[in-house]
Amino acid sequence: QKEVEQDPGPLSVPEGAIVSLNCTYSNSAFQYFMWYRQYSRKGPELLMYTYSSGNKEDGRFTAQVDKSSKYISLFIRDSQPSDSATYLCAMNSNTGGFKTIFGAGTRLFVKA
Amino acid sequence: DTGVSQNPRHKITKRGQNVTFRCDPISEHNRLYWYRQTLGQGPEFLTYFQNEAQLEKSRLLSDRFSAERPKGSFSTLEIQRTEQGDSAMYLCASSDGTSSYNEQFFGPGTRLTVL
Repeated sequence: QKEVEQDPGPLSVPEGAIVSLNCTYSNSAFQYFMWYRQYSRKGPELLMYTYSSGNKEDGRFTAQVDKSSKYISLFIRDSQPSDSATYLCAMNSNTGGFKTIFGAGTRLFVKA
Repeated sequence: DTGVSQNPRHKITKRGQNVTFRCDPISEHNRLYWYRQTLGQGPEFLTYFQNEAQLEKSRLLSDRFSAERPKGSFSTLEIQRTEQGDSAMYLCASSDGTSSYNEQFFGPGTRLTVL
């Protein structure tokens, strides 16, 4: 079993839809939970991070963490074609090096 | 451009050949990471440097793989006697260690194809 599980999709939605992306994990030591976005042929770039449980909002993006369920989510409101990318959940803990474990990524297509 | 750069962007080689990739991190970032990403998967951690010291290596990093960061600036990743299973995107990332969550900045990657 992988430490981080993420449905690879693909997920196809119409423009303006609300998108929900999710990951589950098994390591209770994880403290920092991140979402990276990766466009085709590019490296990942950080979208948002959350420390421990709770919600965090940034514009059209909301990240949620439920440590009791070991479940994290990213919501995208009013999705745009430019949001079409692969979304990777990632997590690490406050140990030497902050080794980051990534999910497999969910491919999202937003149709105009 | 002050981001992470990687060279070459693409490499095609024959099985059994050696290849070397280079990563130039963001200036003054003391942490440098190498990841491998295959199609449909997220980046998998390979190794990590703090300045010039290699502090952690994944079990994925077989004896055919070696990484260096001789002066704590750029890094190289060498794969000896390449195998078809080595075909992947090799990503480099750097961080300055100041954020509590260790934000990593990724380069564009080197795509390796082993024929």
